[in-house]
Amino acid sequence: EAQVTQNPRYLITVTGKKLTVTCSQNMNHEYMSWYRQDPGLGLRQIYYSMNVEVTDKGDVPEGYKVSRKEKRNFPLILESPSPNQTSLYFCASSRSQTGSGTDTQYFGPGTRLTVL
Amino acid sequence: QKEVEQDPGPLSVPEGAIVSLNCTYSNSAFQYFMWYRQYSRKGPELLMYTYSSGNKEDGRFTAQVDKSSKYISLFIRDSQPSDSATYLCAMSGSPMLTFGGGTRLMVKP
Repeated sequence: EAQVTQNPRYLITVTGKKLTVTCSQNMNHEYMSWYRQDPGLGLRQIYYSMNVEVTDKGDVPEGYKVSRKEKRNFPLILESPSPNQTSLYFCASSRSQTGSGTDTQYFGPGTRLTVL
Repeated sequence: QKEVEQDPGPLSVPEGAIVSLNCTYSNSAFQYFMWYRQYSRKGPELLMYTYSSGNKEDGRFTAQVDKSSKYISLFIRDSQPSDSATYLCAMSGSPMLTFGGGTRLMVKP
């Protein structure tokens, strides 16, 4: 089954404690990205990657890091989480760059992060 | 001002009604226009996409794009309770995808 998986699904942590949210896709997609979703603000892109070892900033990259060492994995790293990073996070993948018509972007199930 | 504006709702309609969901945008570079549906506690899923201006129909769903007015719409005919979800418009003309804030739709039996 084609899917994007994220782990963990739920996480409560404290300010400053480094954490990693994993993302993996089994569709051999080149393009992957991370979003955060906040009430009233919709989905905002954090980082995206157009291929292995190629990453770029989205709209809200501050406080986040990513890496793309393998095609299937795109972890999101919060080196020193703060309460304003409490949010719902989605990983997504697609065959090529986002929004290219028939190139559907598949989303993972989401990770709900709470930073105390 | 946000690049993409979408009324958050909630929009409550009776079963069988015609639903109209809309977004306005400011970036003339947008060429691809999409509608995603997001059920509670799930990730968004692509519902429809349109390239440039025009209409596109898929079953009970019709997407319209008016680039001259920078306005896009999604119409749902014969709405069903299973259509209850948050609908997000999204637009692209670059490697990044820009989303509206989403409209929460409730279809009551």
